[in-house]
Amino acid sequence: AQSVTQLDSQVPVFEEAPVELRCNYSSSVSVYLFWYVQYPNQGLQLLLKYLSGSTLVKGINGFEAEFNKSQTSFHLRKPSVHISDTAEYFCAVNQGGKLIFGQGTELSVKP
Amino acid sequence: DTAVSQTPKYLVTQMGNDKSIKCEQNLGHDTMYWYKQDSKKFLKIMFSYNNKELIINETVPNRFSPKSPDKAHLNLHINSLELGDSAVYFCASSQVRASGIYAYEQYFGPGTRLTVT
Repeated sequence: AQSVTQLDSQVPVFEEAPVELRCNYSSSVSVYLFWYVQYPNQGLQLLLKYLSGSTLVKGINGFEAEFNKSQTSFHLRKPSVHISDTAEYFCAVNQGGKLIFGQGTELSVKP
Repeated sequence: DTAVSQTPKYLVTQMGNDKSIKCEQNLGHDTMYWYKQDSKKFLKIMFSYNNKELIINETVPNRFSPKSPDKAHLNLHINSLELGDSAVYFCASSQVRASGIYAYEQYFGPGTRLTVT
C-alpha cells in the first residue's frame, strides 16, 4: 500500500522568504501525486498535480513542485511567500482511486 | 457556481442520535467520495461511489451508510452517533476515465463539521 510522509508538521517563515514543504512517498510503478491547500475552516483546493511527463510542475499561486523518482520525493516550493499563503498543505498520492494523504504541513507566514 | 456543496456546514448533536450529511456536485463527474478529517487534521477516505455503485469501502463502522441516489449526489447517514465521530467530513468528486485510471484530481466540498456531545 502507498504511503505519504510530510517531513515537517510546521514551517514558520517570514513574508517574502522562499519556502519548501517536503513530501516523500512510498515507491510504486506509477504514481499520481498532488498537493492540496486548506485555508482555515475551508475545504481542500488543488495546488498542482504530477501525472507524467515533466518532473517540474507549476501550480496556482506561484507554487511549483519537483517529482524526483530516485528520491521518491515531491517537494513543494515557492520563491517568495505572502501572508495569505498561511494554511495547511497536504501532499497526496492516488492509489486505486483513493487519495492517500500525508499528515499535513502547517505553513505560517509572519510579517 | 459551487462545484461541490455540502449541507449542513455545522452539525451539533448528542450521542446516540442519527444524522445525515448531503453532498451534491455540478461538475458532471461520475465518481464521488467521503473523507474524514480528524482533530489532528489527518484525512482518510471512507467511501467512494462510481455511477451510483459503491467501489471503495474502507474499514468504517457499519453505523456509517453512504447512499447515492444519482451520480451527482452522495449522502452520508450515521446511526447511533458516538463521541469519536466528531470530525470534519469532506465530500469530493472526480471524473474517472473509462479505462479506470484514477489519475484525475478530486474536487472537495467545504466540509461538514460534526460535533457529538
